[in-house]
Amino acid sequence: GAGVSQTPSNKVTEKGKYVELRCDPISGHTALYWYRQSLGQGPEFLIYFQGTGAADDSGLPNDRFFAVRPEGSVSTLKIQRTERGDSAVYLCASSPRRTSGGIGEQFFGPGTRLTVL
Amino acid sequence: KQEVTQIPAALSVPEGENLVLNCSFTDSAIYNLQWFRQDPGKGLTSLLLIQSSQREQTSGRLNASLDKSSGRSTLYIAASQPGDSATYLCAVRPNGNKLVFGAGTILRVKS
Repeated sequence: GAGVSQTPSNKVTEKGKYVELRCDPISGHTALYWYRQSLGQGPEFLIYFQGTGAADDSGLPNDRFFAVRPEGSVSTLKIQRTERGDSAVYLCASSPRRTSGGIGEQFFGPGTRLTVL
Repeated sequence: KQEVTQIPAALSVPEGENLVLNCSFTDSAIYNLQWFRQDPGKGLTSLLLIQSSQREQTSGRLNASLDKSSGRSTLYIAASQPGDSATYLCAVRPNGNKLVFGAGTILRVKS
């Protein structure tokens, strides 16, 4: 079936603007994650959803960042008053419901490259 | 705080060589460890997942080992090919559900 999809693939915005990044997880996956990857570094965790609720938002850098998943499927990452330091690739991942004895593997989307001018 | 380190940062080898990528983590309390491949401008492709109770996983020419007590994992690639050129990322899953990543090893296999 289809993998994790993210839109747009590229987003260029001006400092101070508001942006929304969308993630469509693999059908049936209950867990959804957002990560941010800066150039030359590994991805850093932002937020994790189990169903509709944010189970862990400890990675969000400040209150300009917010994410929702209203129906337990598609998620939107929202960034207010963007700053040049927000420029990065934003990655989304999903995983299936945990099976007994195991922890679900995470499957990643292609990412959205955000550039703040 | 869990930290993941990958060595070397970059590696260039001739086609056909066997190679080893290293990953170390500071806290041995993990649920699993995952190796990913990332091609330029692309997302992450999962290569191997090792649960904390396992010692190794194999897929084709790839073999990953896990020594949880010493905080180490290795990714072994046999008979490397130019198509293996990519960035390889190691990630551990501590308590909770997020992954903690290393900075990656950039691999170039020359034909």
